[in-house]
Amino acid sequence: EIVLTQSPGTLSLSPGERATLSCRASQRVYAKYLAWYQQKPGQAPRLVMYGASSRAAGVPDRFSGSGSGTDFTLTISRLEPEDCAVYYCQQYDDSVLTFGGGTKVEIK
Amino acid sequence: QVQVQQWGAGLLKPSETLSLTCVVLGTSITDSSWSWIRQSPGKGLEWICEITDSGTTNYNPSLRSRVSISVDTSKSQLSLNLTSLTAADTAVYYCARRPGRHYYYMDIWGRGTTVTVSS
Repeated sequence: EIVLTQSPGTLSLSPGERATLSCRASQRVYAKYLAWYQQKPGQAPRLVMYGASSRAAGVPDRFSGSGSGTDFTLTISRLEPEDCAVYYCQQYDDSVLTFGGGTKVEIK
Repeated sequence: QVQVQQWGAGLLKPSETLSLTCVVLGTSITDSSWSWIRQSPGKGLEWICEITDSGTTNYNPSLRSRVSISVDTSKSQLSLNLTSLTAADTAVYYCARRPGRHYYYMDIWGRGTTVTVSS
């Protein structure tokens, strides 16, 4: 089973700053199998990125994804107050799906 | 527009069996794969199981012995059974869609059902 480790645990930034979220896999993950979700309190997760770098429908272009192999990154170029949430990476391999532990993004 | 609606028992006792249902609206349930995912209070997301568009079932190895997933195509419903409950099964349970066998993410999520296991 592939383990995903996200860092940092919490990111506290000011509006307009750049947020860089990391997701590291215990084994190689093909980019097409890597996704990111945003979850706000009391809500279900929302898909923001799939295939490592493709934005889901309705996601602002300040969100971007990159990476390959074992290291993937979700970047929010200019943080907005509504971006406060927990972000999870997820991979699908050999019919088993796993999530990272999440990164909480806070606005100062 | 694809929607999923969930329901099921919210308060259960240890050793009982959890049964949850999700109804799929706006699309054929057999056009996609469907997963159950849970989130314990204050914790991250844990994938439980999946049934694919071809009817294949896949399970989280840590839960495999207690879980079953099924689809009733006539009712467009997805079901989850989880046996031998303990307090550790207390969580919000989500059903979610994986659009198809060549897609590797969940694009549609239910609103979640809160399940509490307590004596």
